[in-house]
Amino acid sequence: DQQVKQNSPSLSVQEGRISILNCDYTNSMFDYFLWYKKYPAEGPTFLISISSIKDKNEDGRFTVFLNKSAKHLSLHIVPSQPGDSAVYFCAAWGNAGNMLTFGGGTRLMVKP
Amino acid sequence: DTGVSQDPRHKITKRGQNVTFRCDPISEHNRLYWYRQTLGQGPEFLTYFQNEAQLEKSRLLSDRFSAERPKGSFSTLEIQRTEQGDSAMYLCASRSAGGRETQYFGPGTRLLVL
Repeated sequence: DQQVKQNSPSLSVQEGRISILNCDYTNSMFDYFLWYKKYPAEGPTFLISISSIKDKNEDGRFTVFLNKSAKHLSLHIVPSQPGDSAVYFCAAWGNAGNMLTFGGGTRLMVKP
Repeated sequence: DTGVSQDPRHKITKRGQNVTFRCDPISEHNRLYWYRQTLGQGPEFLTYFQNEAQLEKSRLLSDRFSAERPKGSFSTLEIQRTEQGDSAMYLCASRSAGGRETQYFGPGTRLLVL
């Protein structure tokens, strides 16, 4: 069973506009969430995180929103830049273990 | 460069051969993780070390897979009698002690089993 889902496999956005990437989870034990960015042939790079005691965390152009009642989080990138083109993974922590549970990823393409 | 490093970056092998991968974590990190990623999927947890102790193993880690971290620093992941289904990116991550510290990933080892 997929406990973390990213239902959009891809997203295309114009440079300068907002990119919104979504993630849903099913396990209410998850209490910490992270977003990673991955370029081809590289490992995932940490982007931003949020604890379940918060509903928003902002870092420069990146903002993560958490809606615990809906078990939904989103990553907003404003303004989007061509260098943001990558695969974005949502990950969750807290499932009675020490590992991260990842979603399947969303490929973001930012067009110049 | 003080990030997580992995060696080799790429490995091509024939079915039935054994392969071994190495991971060097960030020096002050005592937690080390191995994940596997196949095409179009997110990374899946394989195993976790705290110092030299292997504390968790996924059911994905069949008996052909073994991981070690003998001195609590670098780690090795060995796959015996490789199968074509083992073809994947093998990722290593490390983090420092604490509650919800971020895991930092290495560049991965891409394995192709022919």
